[in-house]
Amino acid sequence: EAEVAQSPRYKITEKSQAVAFWCDPISGHATLYWYRQILGQGPELLVQFQDESVVDDSQLPKDRFSAERLKGVDSTLKIQPAELGDSAMYLCASSFTPGANYGYTFGSGTRLTVV
Amino acid sequence: KNEVEQSPQNLTAQEGEFITINCSYSVGISALHWLQQHPGGGIVSLFMLSSGKKKHGRLIATINIQEKHSSLHITASHPRDSAVYICAVRNNNDMRFGAGTRLTVKP
Repeated sequence: EAEVAQSPRYKITEKSQAVAFWCDPISGHATLYWYRQILGQGPELLVQFQDESVVDDSQLPKDRFSAERLKGVDSTLKIQPAELGDSAMYLCASSFTPGANYGYTFGSGTRLTVV
Repeated sequence: KNEVEQSPQNLTAQEGEFITINCSYSVGISALHWLQQHPGGGIVSLFMLSSGKKKHGRLIATINIQEKHSSLHITASHPRDSAVYICAVRNNNDMRFGAGTRLTVKP
């Protein structure tokens, strides 16, 4: 069964260091989402791509976070410098088209701990 | 007030019990998703609903569009059902999530 691949599964980093997460969506899925989930809360959208273009990054803390999807396939989310409050689960999801009511799939996530 | 409210926040049940998790939302939607998140963090989509009722094994999901309410039912609950269940509503590009219901089923 097709899946959204994310790596690493776990990451521990010291504050002020740089950290990056990678996501490979399901083949053919044009829309890719990065979410952050703080313990005990639902996911919140950080950035949404349609192919290689950003369509929504209104909740992305742009002073330290960046995201790219250069060829419209896999994507990287970067934090530099990391802060203690960035500790969370970072989830990637993809869908065939925006608003598609099918084929919306999450990856297993990257659990980030900033110490 | 959150646009997607789930109840209860935490739920503990004995194996075999019938379980209901509720979701109320205050925005217009094109679909509602029920998601399951295990301790490892990965999220699995259980159901996507735009009307009526869906059943998959021991899981049943219903939605009442007029009342903006959905329920997820688990019949004959089992310890392996222990997870966080998240309600998410979708409107075009926008997906809003509830905070989740943590279910623990004891043997």
